[in-house]
Amino acid sequence: EAQVTQNPRYLITVTGKKLTVTCSQNMNHEYMSWYRQDPGLGLRQIYYSMNVEVTDKGDVPEGYKVSRKEKRNFPLILESPSPNQTSLYFCASSWGAHNEKLFFGSGTQLSVL
Amino acid sequence: ILNVEQSPQSLHVQEGDSTNFTCSFPSSNFYALHWYRWETAKSPEALFVMTLNGDEKKKGRISATLNTKEGYSYLYIKGSQPEDSATYLCASEGRGKLIFGQGTELSVKP
Repeated sequence: EAQVTQNPRYLITVTGKKLTVTCSQNMNHEYMSWYRQDPGLGLRQIYYSMNVEVTDKGDVPEGYKVSRKEKRNFPLILESPSPNQTSLYFCASSWGAHNEKLFFGSGTQLSVL
Repeated sequence: ILNVEQSPQSLHVQEGDSTNFTCSFPSSNFYALHWYRWETAKSPEALFVMTLNGDEKKKGRISATLNTKEGYSYLYIKGSQPEDSATYLCASEGRGKLIFGQGTELSVKP
């Protein structure tokens, strides 16, 4: 089944404790992206990747890192999480960067205490 | 940063009503306009990706139009059903980035 797999679904952590949210897609998509959803703000793009070893900042990249060493994986890393990073996170992928619909993962609800 | 605005923020209709909502976006540096349907506790799912001015797309009872010159898109739902209840997101695409609006939350009462 074609899908974008995100883990974990829920995560509670404490300030400063490094964490990684994994994202993997099995559709051979070139484009992958991370978003966060906060009440009243809509989905905001954190980072995106147009292909392996090619990543770029979205609109809210501060406090996050990403890597794209393999085509299928695009992990989101929070080196030192803070409470303002408490949010619902979505990974998404598509065939290309332009004019292609996004396939979303199931989301990760992160709480930083 | 592009500003993508959606209106109304929320909409309550009766089953069988037809409804529409608006997405406005900056018309400069335009690549494509996306519509997604997002049900509670699920992930957003793509409805349409539209690129050409005057384009119109249809999927069952849902259709969308696009005006790239003036920077707006309409989403129409004909004969709303309770299962149409969801948040409808539009997003403007430019140079690898996708800027989402805040969404229109639709509630359809039986």
